[in-house]
Amino acid sequence: EAGVAQSPRYKIIEKRQSVAFWCNPISGHATLYWYQQILGQGPKLLIQFQNNGVVDDSQLPKDRFSAERLKGVDSTLKIQPAKLEDSAVYLCASSLGSGVNTEAFFGQGTRLTVV
Amino acid sequence: AQSVTQLGSHVSVSEGALVLLRCNYSSSVPPYLFWYVQYPNQGLQLLLKYTSAATLVKGINGFEAEFKKSETSFHLTKPSAHMSDAAEYFCAVSRGETSGSRLTFGEGTQLTVNP
Repeated sequence: EAGVAQSPRYKIIEKRQSVAFWCNPISGHATLYWYQQILGQGPKLLIQFQNNGVVDDSQLPKDRFSAERLKGVDSTLKIQPAKLEDSAVYLCASSLGSGVNTEAFFGQGTRLTVV
Repeated sequence: AQSVTQLGSHVSVSEGALVLLRCNYSSSVPPYLFWYVQYPNQGLQLLLKYTSAATLVKGINGFEAEFKKSETSFHLTKPSAHMSDAAEYFCAVSRGETSGSRLTFGEGTQLTVNP
């Protein structure tokens, strides 16, 4: 089965510009996560969707970050305006459900460099 | 709040030697604990997870981990290291049974395997 697809793989932007990342989860997976992984650190959860509803966005910097999953399938994460400290790998993951016994599958990530 | 601490950001072993990667957790409720592996430029892959069943958990690629409540530990081991095990390893804790892969990750341990 196809895995979680993310694009682009790499992006370089200047500070104060905007950027968007796209994620296509595994078919049939209702739950979708966005994580931010800063170099040398573990991933940090930004937002969790269940179908097209937000379950948890408590760690999403809402003044500059936004995410949507309009039809409960693909998702987009946007940063506007970007700061230097946003340089990181943005990982998307999906799972069949939200229970702890359902495994989440991760995409390869989008590496963002803000200069 | 739940958290995990990985002891040792870098571990180096010889091929064929025992692999031991340390993880201690802090949780006010019974934890659900995970180990993930990340190869360069790849997403995370689940190695194994503890969800309150057997305390000794066996995972993929010959890895296993033992949940020790008295020591608040969930260390990852493999009897004999292989060159292909070189990667970064993350311990993670779930926020609850219905939180699924809404995870809090440790800082990671980079494993080097020497020939």
